[in-house]
Amino acid sequence: NAGVTQTPKFQVLKTGQSMTLQCAQDMNHEYMSWYRQDPGMGLRLIHYSVGAGITDQGEVPNGYNVSRSTTEDFPLRLLSAAPSQTSVYFCASGRTSGVSYNEQFFGPGTRLTVL
Amino acid sequence: GDSVTQMEGPVTLSEEAFLTINCTYTATGYPSLFWYVQYPGEGLQLLLKATKADDKGSNKGFEATYRKETTSFHLEKGSVQVSDSAVYFCALSDSGGSNYKLTFGKGTLLTVNP
Repeated sequence: NAGVTQTPKFQVLKTGQSMTLQCAQDMNHEYMSWYRQDPGMGLRLIHYSVGAGITDQGEVPNGYNVSRSTTEDFPLRLLSAAPSQTSVYFCASGRTSGVSYNEQFFGPGTRLTVL
Repeated sequence: GDSVTQMEGPVTLSEEAFLTINCTYTATGYPSLFWYVQYPGEGLQLLLKATKADDKGSNKGFEATYRKETTSFHLEKGSVQVSDSAVYFCALSDSGGSNYKLTFGKGTLLTVNP
């Protein structure tokens, strides 16, 4: 069981470039989400998905795009990178059915720098 | 909307000292409460949880009690170790239709010196 995996671990982009952060989980979780972590801001939800084909916006969705074609994968796309998107990005997954609370499992993170 | 407020750090303690990190919350429903820990260079791990009032979550010597009357979920440990150095996040998920969404506090950096 690999849990939640993220690639790459580090990435440097130039302003205006696009890229995709990959996230995969092997726990058959319905729920997947993307957070960004900035100093003094905690974790802020970017986008989330409750199942294949279903996505929704979180607290800070602007400049990011997601899709969920399979249960396992939930990629995050930066359409045109900006320095304000310099951050550490975490993917998480969890169950939504048959549970009364939500324990989320986090990936190791991707550290992104936009120059 | 939902919100979580936790004490600002950084917190610096000597080994074997007592730890308290305060956390209070605002929620529209009846939330579940969590403490997550992030060790240097790693993702977040669930440390403990409580899903109803007066529940006590515990793990690795850490404890937190769900206090509905004071809307609090303070984290405590009687004797910290150097290996406890990490960032600690208080979080909640509401009991409404979106109970899978987590709201986090800003995190508290704990450094334990030998």
